[in-house]
Amino acid sequence: DTEVTQTPKHLVMGMTNKKSLKCEQHMGHRAMYWYKQKAKKPPELMFVYSYEKLSINESVPSRFSPECPNSSLLNLHLHALQPEDSALYLCASSLVAGGSYNEQFFGPGTRLTVL
Amino acid sequence: SQQGEEDPQALSIQEGENATMNCSYKTSINNLQWYRQNSGRGLVHLILIRSNEREKHSGRLRVTLDTSKKSSSLLITASRAADTASYFCATDANNAGNMLTFGGGTRLMVKP
Repeated sequence: DTEVTQTPKHLVMGMTNKKSLKCEQHMGHRAMYWYKQKAKKPPELMFVYSYEKLSINESVPSRFSPECPNSSLLNLHLHALQPEDSALYLCASSLVAGGSYNEQFFGPGTRLTVL
Repeated sequence: SQQGEEDPQALSIQEGENATMNCSYKTSINNLQWYRQNSGRGLVHLILIRSNEREKHSGRLRVTLDTSKKSSSLLITASRAADTASYFCATDANNAGNMLTFGGGTRLMVKP
């Protein structure tokens, strides 16, 4: 299985809602990532988990809360988001974080709209 | 922040022609990678070139890396309509805490 899956594909939420994005991989990868991508822009790194521990938080507002329950799963909990948080949220995984062979495998993304 | 800058931002060619995209970056790197993204979808890894490599091939793809100029190029030969996508370079910088930083991307359109 060489796939990263993400659910849901689309999510519309109000600014007072609480929702979660889910990501799963079964490739035995020990690094997992959340990226945010606005239209016609490159992905921007939000969080890196390495061996289920948060290793990088790119100064992301606390209304985004990541969680890595085990080596295959990565969640992103959303609360009190703003309309400018509307974007494509991409999950990725790699064998390890960093090094000379840090090819990342991306999921299809969750298209988030905040009303 | 963006480590890489890509040139051109957009490229339109006819099927069968070659497409060349360039990427420049600022700091020393472990490796440089190229990804493709179809509209609104996830990224697909195309090729990784390490800092001690100068050229790499994969099918119709050819990547070069010039660390002295801090630049890389991606050549797609004999392009097809299915190659229409955005192409991003991404660097794994030595001092970046094990993370990829993506360039701005080149939007390629291949007309049938």
